[in-house]
Amino acid sequence: IQMTQSPSSLSASVGDRVTITCRASQNIDTYLNWYQQKPGKAPRLLIYAASSLQTEVPSRFSGGGSGTDFTLTISSLQPEDFATYYCLQTYNIRTFGQGTKVEIK
Amino acid sequence: QVQLVQSGAEVKKPGASVKVSCKASGYTFTNYAIHWVRQAPGQGLEWMGWINPDIGDSTYSQKFQGRVTFTRDRSATTVAMELNSLTFEDTATFYCTRDAKVVGASENYFDSWGQGTLVIVSS
Repeated sequence: IQMTQSPSSLSASVGDRVTITCRASQNIDTYLNWYQQKPGKAPRLLIYAASSLQTEVPSRFSGGGSGTDFTLTISSLQPEDFATYYCLQTYNIRTFGQGTKVEIK
Repeated sequence: QVQLVQSGAEVKKPGASVKVSCKASGYTFTNYAIHWVRQAPGQGLEWMGWINPDIGDSTYSQKFQGRVTFTRDRSATTVAMELNSLTFEDTATFYCTRDAKVVGASENYFDSWGQGTLVIVSS
């Protein structure tokens, strides 16, 4: 299963609403997770099963979608949210998206 | 609390092998699969495969099949990843991560990660 994530990078300001998309090459139901990674650190789980918020993750993060099209939305970007975000499908073995780097405008 | 602690950085020559360990604590070792993920400098995350620590069975990504081996030591609650025939392109940080299952459902997610082990391949 191929995962196509877009955009590969974006520039945004604090307070902006940001949406990242991930498209699967076939139906993966809701077997989709989102991770945040900061430089030099391991990834951190944000969203599992497409739309479930992981414990202690701020509510400004939300996930949606099912089947082949998924979104990660940050409702109001905070300084600590500047990072790279990855989707991961768990329907058939595992495949990561290519990543989206969120930079400061 | 759940912890995955990986072995330290390594420098290897092309053609050599490297073995990275991942010690688990804070949970029942045999209840959760461990996956391995590679990240080349400045690049994305790449799934390598996983091991069932209970029975020791492994599944490998096609990209690494034949060149990687996962093992586990139940008494030491440790899994290891050995990668052979290293090339310069294997310079990367390797992560182990625990595979958890959504309660009452069948979806999975990686909920805990090791700190990463940097492997440098240099002549």
